[in-house]
Amino acid sequence: GDSVTQMEGPVTLSEEAFLTINCTYTATGYPSLFWYVQYPGEGLQLLLKATKADDKGSNKGFEATYRKETTSFHLEKGSVQVSDSAVYFCALSARAGGTSYGKLTFGQGTILTVHP
Amino acid sequence: SQTIHQWPATLVQPVGSPLSLECTVEGTSNPNLYWYRQAAGRGLQLLFYSVGIGQISSEVPQNLSASRPQDRQFILSSKKLLLSDSGFYLCAWSAGDRRTEAFFGQGTRLTVV
Repeated sequence: GDSVTQMEGPVTLSEEAFLTINCTYTATGYPSLFWYVQYPGEGLQLLLKATKADDKGSNKGFEATYRKETTSFHLEKGSVQVSDSAVYFCALSARAGGTSYGKLTFGQGTILTVHP
Repeated sequence: SQTIHQWPATLVQPVGSPLSLECTVEGTSNPNLYWYRQAAGRGLQLLFYSVGIGQISSEVPQNLSASRPQDRQFILSSKKLLLSDSGFYLCAWSAGDRRTEAFFGQGTRLTVV
């Protein structure tokens, strides 16, 4: 079945440092890929997405590129802020079958802490 | 714009008591609806999804059930809670077309004591 593997955390960085959170996936067909962010005590917010190979999703300074050849969707940000401290989830949505849309398979999540 | 409401935000229930969590979506029609559970320190697990009124699919065997009495209402229930039912429950919706992203509610923190 489908699966998502994220780098284990927690990740601790100083403000303005460069961030990479690795994500690789296994899926049949051509999934859509997502990064979600969860702030303490809250639900998940969609951060960015990519729906086909070589697409780059970007939002709030975060970027991720859909790499079909390496089955990866790594999250990057050039300069993190304290306000970026949260849990980040990589996820995929299977493309096959009408009822599969929106059913997400998640990675385990990576806790990011940014210090001033 | 579309919004999703989920309540209550927190709940403490004794073992063996019933459960009812409610989720409603506004600003869209015929959404796909989902219940996920997030256990402490772990990722999210899909529990149920629904593509229409009265249509419920269960992803994992468990002590919980779901119902969709109206187009934009999704309810998670249990007749008798177990300690292992504790967790963070998230409702989500996605458009019933080929767009694939899902949007989440604020979640319910359930503690079974």
